[in-house]
Amino acid sequence: DTAVSQTPKYLVTQMGNDKSIKCEQNLGHDTMYWYKQDSKKFLKIMFSYNNKELIINETVPNRFSPKSPDKAHLNLHINSLELGDSAVYFCASSQTSGGTSDTQYFGPGTRLTVL
Amino acid sequence: SQQGEEDPQALSIQEGENATMNCSYKTSINNLQWYRQNSGRGLVHLILIRSNEREKHSGRLRVTLDTSKKSSSLLITASRAADTASYFCAKFNQAGTALIFGKGTTLSVSS
Repeated sequence: DTAVSQTPKYLVTQMGNDKSIKCEQNLGHDTMYWYKQDSKKFLKIMFSYNNKELIINETVPNRFSPKSPDKAHLNLHINSLELGDSAVYFCASSQTSGGTSDTQYFGPGTRLTVL
Repeated sequence: SQQGEEDPQALSIQEGENATMNCSYKTSINNLQWYRQNSGRGLVHLILIRSNEREKHSGRLRVTLDTSKKSSSLLITASRAADTASYFCAKFNQAGTALIFGKGTTLSVSS
């Protein structure tokens, strides 16, 4: 049973296109995240949702729009894709938002390549 | 920047040797976490050490924390080829709402 799953695993698309990445967790966690990992493996938080409510929105272009239909799902929609959006996108979840013993569970990642 | 810094950036050792990775951070913490990322995979949580703890063990892993120096180290003893991965330290941001990851140490263990 996969705890945090993402689809697709690979995504190759042209500049200017719109694409979505889906994430689901079956851990019963309240909080979900999107991270972007660049080619140098630097991992940066993009968004965080707690029980379907947005709690973190880092400095991310508004072409990126997260959507959480329920607390088990957090999808990422990207409009007008640019070359610089090429990266690996990770979804993660945790029991709560913050807390002294909160650990995060990561999905396998979606490698996005914009041509 | 709240980001942690790991060193070394890359480490190559032989099977059976110990590997030590260090992490420094700038702001106060409630806890520090270490994660492993195998090539092409997501991150996996390894160990969490609280600010009032100095050392913690989990199998072949030993993590130390020195809050006065704002640093932590991860020691992997008797390394195996399967330990080849990138290792990241992470701490919560000041709001306590998201983890801030360091740049990672890439460990290569050859047999």
